[in-house]
Amino acid sequence: IAGITQAPTSQILAAGRRMTLRCTQDMRHNAMYWYRQDLGLGLRLIHYSNTAGTTGKGEVPDGYSVSRANTDDFPLTLASAVPSQTSVYFCASSESAGEAQLFFGEGSRLTVL
Amino acid sequence: GQNIDQPTEMTATEGAIVQINCTYQTSGFNGLFWYQQHAGEAPTFLSYNVLDGLEEKGRFSSFLSRSKGYSYLLLKELQMKDSASYLCAVVDSNYQLIWGAGTKLIIKP
Repeated sequence: IAGITQAPTSQILAAGRRMTLRCTQDMRHNAMYWYRQDLGLGLRLIHYSNTAGTTGKGEVPDGYSVSRANTDDFPLTLASAVPSQTSVYFCASSESAGEAQLFFGEGSRLTVL
Repeated sequence: GQNIDQPTEMTATEGAIVQINCTYQTSGFNGLFWYQQHAGEAPTFLSYNVLDGLEEKGRFSSFLSRSKGYSYLLLKELQMKDSASYLCAVVDSNYQLIWGAGTKLIIKP
């Protein structure tokens, strides 16, 4: 089934540890995004990539890094996790940046202790 | 700054009609999206408006007034499965999506 896949779906992590959230899409979409969703705050953009080989910073990029080596994969790395990074993380993709509708992965629930 | 306002929570009765409002103040406008998000799940696309007027899609309709910075999502013949959060998002002049915090809709029998 075509779509967007995230892993892991849930993770508990000790503060200071490094963590990579994986995201893969098979729709050949050009644009990909990482959001975090916290209660009462809505979706906040962490990083984005308009096309393979390029990335950009969103609203809340500090403490996170991304790479876009190819069209399909867009991993998000927390170099040294902190409790404030406890959140639900959604990866999304769209045919092109900005105007096209987003397709979301099922989310990754991360708890940093 | 850029801002999207939606009511935090609304309650409606099964079979009734509900209107969820969204007002926005953004740097430019290149379209407005509505997404539905059930608890514990990912958001899914409902509608996209870029021109003024009403777009109807089955039980759901979305309206846009660019001059007023205003949109609403109208849900008719409410069903229990419509209990979810509804997210409004605006595409700004830089083609970035600005998200509202979402409206949690509770449907009562």
